[in-house]
Amino acid sequence: QQPVQSPQAVILREGEDAVINCSSSKALYSVHWYRQKHGEAPVFLMILLKGGEQKGHEKISASFNEKKQQSSLYLTASQLSYSGTYFCGTYGSSNTGKLIFGQGTTLQVKP
Amino acid sequence: DARVTQTPRHKVTEMGQEVTMRCQPILGHNTVFWYRQTMMQGLELLAYFRNRAPLDDSGMPKDRFSAEMPDATLATLKIQPSEPRDSAVYFCASGIGTRNEQFFGPGTRLTVL
Repeated sequence: QQPVQSPQAVILREGEDAVINCSSSKALYSVHWYRQKHGEAPVFLMILLKGGEQKGHEKISASFNEKKQQSSLYLTASQLSYSGTYFCGTYGSSNTGKLIFGQGTTLQVKP
Repeated sequence: DARVTQTPRHKVTEMGQEVTMRCQPILGHNTVFWYRQTMMQGLELLAYFRNRAPLDDSGMPKDRFSAEMPDATLATLKIQPSEPRDSAVYFCASGIGTRNEQFFGPGTRLTVL
């Protein structure tokens, strides 16, 4: 089951904050976040693990609520370079390496 | 600067032709993933390998797609025969283990006429 991301699109001014949500109907074991700029490949941002361990980006933070089966990505004081499409990815079960990506959230940061 | 490389970067072919895409994972990475990206379906996992062994290819149309790793430095994705609905960007990614960060290649943009 594909995780659901919200919102689908966000337009910000530089310096503003944004939150992107990712929710799953199944139990989450970990959540990956990637950013893809137009015409480029996805680039890893962060992994959130059960128990709160977090690995990844310095300027972007995220939360992982296992009970609610949700993760949120927090982009604070956004910069023009933050523009792109953000994908969350989840695993369908504990014993698979098959990462299932959400449909993406497009973020546009304007000057 | 270690990177995943993919060839070709662009491919235009006619329906019915065979297409082969190649991927060189980052040296030392033991896991390779193949993804397909389209506007309608998003980013879909087609298959992945660990230590050159296929672990899951449930995302691939079995009758026309095949994925292999002839050696640790080369992964291939073949489509035979190709169809217009196969038009997409195909990404290869590599990593260490199956649940860690994945490093994506630049992709192969395939157009089947």
